[in-house]
Amino acid sequence: QKEVEQDPGPLSVPEGAIVSLNCTYSNSAFQYFMWYRQYSRKGPELLMYTYSSGNKEDGRFTAQVDKSSKYISLFIRDSQPSDSATYLCAMSTSRETSGSRLTFGEGTQLTVNP
Amino acid sequence: EADIYQTPRYLVIGTGKKITLECSQTMGHDKMYWYQQDPGMELHLIHYSYGVNSTEKGDLSSESTVSRIRTEHFPLTLESARPSHTSQYLCASSEYGNYNSPLHFGNGTRLTVT
Repeated sequence: QKEVEQDPGPLSVPEGAIVSLNCTYSNSAFQYFMWYRQYSRKGPELLMYTYSSGNKEDGRFTAQVDKSSKYISLFIRDSQPSDSATYLCAMSTSRETSGSRLTFGEGTQLTVNP
Repeated sequence: EADIYQTPRYLVIGTGKKITLECSQTMGHDKMYWYQQDPGMELHLIHYSYGVNSTEKGDLSSESTVSRIRTEHFPLTLESARPSHTSQYLCASSEYGNYNSPLHFGNGTRLTVT
């Protein structure tokens, strides 16, 4: 069983929709949670970073962690065509969230249609 | 704009050839990584380095080798390419000593071995 599961999509929504992207995980030791965004033919870039449970908001993006359910979400409000990308969740058991300690999901491909 | 550069962007090569994928960063980061990314699959760490003359194998077994002679340069070499090596290879770096330092990715090299 994979430690991190993510629905690969593809997910297609109209412009302005609220998007919910999700990951589940099996390792209860994960404490640090990240979302990376990857545009086509580009490398991933960090979008959001959260620690433990709770919500974190940054503009149109909200990251939510529910450790009791081992479930994390990324919400995008008022989605725009420029949000079309693949979104990867990543997790770490360690405060040191360097690449050697990260476990990634498969990524969800999102398309926002004008 | 990315400060981590990968060349070539695309490479098509025949079986048995030796290839080197180049990765350079201008941020002075001590930590560097190589990931393999296949469609619909999670990122897999194949090599990492925490500084000059330091290299380690990652979670995913790989026939490639790496070297770190200079801080800014982290090339990956395949001595004898095979079709099973066809994949996208992503290089990344992060700051040593900063627990929250995100990964900075290059735009990848898409390798096809025929």
